[in-house]
Amino acid sequence: KQEVTQIPAALSVPEGENLVLNCSFTDSAIYNLQWFRQDPGKGLTSLLLIQSSQREQTSGRLNASLDKSSGRSTLYIAASQPGDSATYLCAVLLDRTGANNLFFGTGTRLTVIP
Amino acid sequence: DVKVTQSSRYLVKRTGEKVFLECVQDMDHENMFWYRQDPGLGLRLIYFSYDVKMKEKGDIPEGYSVSREKKERFSLILESASTNQTSMYLCASRVRDYSYEQYFGPGTRLTVT
Repeated sequence: KQEVTQIPAALSVPEGENLVLNCSFTDSAIYNLQWFRQDPGKGLTSLLLIQSSQREQTSGRLNASLDKSSGRSTLYIAASQPGDSATYLCAVLLDRTGANNLFFGTGTRLTVIP
Repeated sequence: DVKVTQSSRYLVKRTGEKVFLECVQDMDHENMFWYRQDPGLGLRLIYFSYDVKMKEKGDIPEGYSVSREKKERFSLILESASTNQTSMYLCASRVRDYSYEQYFGPGTRLTVT
C-alpha cells in the first residue's frame, strides 16, 4: 500500500523567508502528485499538480518538484507571508483505476510569523 | 473556475437522526468522492462515484450510504447518526481527462450529540 509522509509535521518561519516542504511516497508507480492548502476548518484548495512525466510546476511564489524514482516531492515557497500560514498536504495518485488510488500525506502545518 | 459546493458548513444533529449531506459540482466531472477528516487520522475515503448511479466503497463505508442520481450531485447519507460520526466531511470531484486533478468543497463540520 502506498505510504505518503510529510516531514516536518509543523514549521514556523519568520516572514520573508524562503522555505521547503517535503513529501515522500513509497510506490513510485504514480500518475500524478498534487499539492493542496487547507486553512483551519476549511476544505482543500489545489495549489499545483505535477504529472509523473514532469519534473516541476510553478505558480507565482510556489514551485513544486517531483523526483519519481526516489519517491520525493518538494514544495518551495518563496518570500513567505503571514497569509501563507495553513496546512499543506500532498496527495499521490497511483497509476491504476479504482476508488482507492489517491493517497494523502498527513500534512505540514506552516506558521509564518510577521 | 471549478466549483464544488456543500449544502452546509456546520451541522448539529442528534444521535439516531438520518442526516443528508449534499455536494454539487459545476464542471461536469464524472468522478465524485466523500471523505471524512479527523485529527491524527488524515483524510479517509468513505465512498466514490465514478458516474451517475455508480458507486464504490472506500476505506470506511460502514454507517454511510450515498446517492448519485444526477451527474452534478453526490449525496452522503448517515442512516442513523452516531457520536463517532462527528467529523469534518469533505466532498471532492475529479476531472477524468489527462490531468485527473481533484477539487474539494469547503467542508461540512458535523457534530452528533
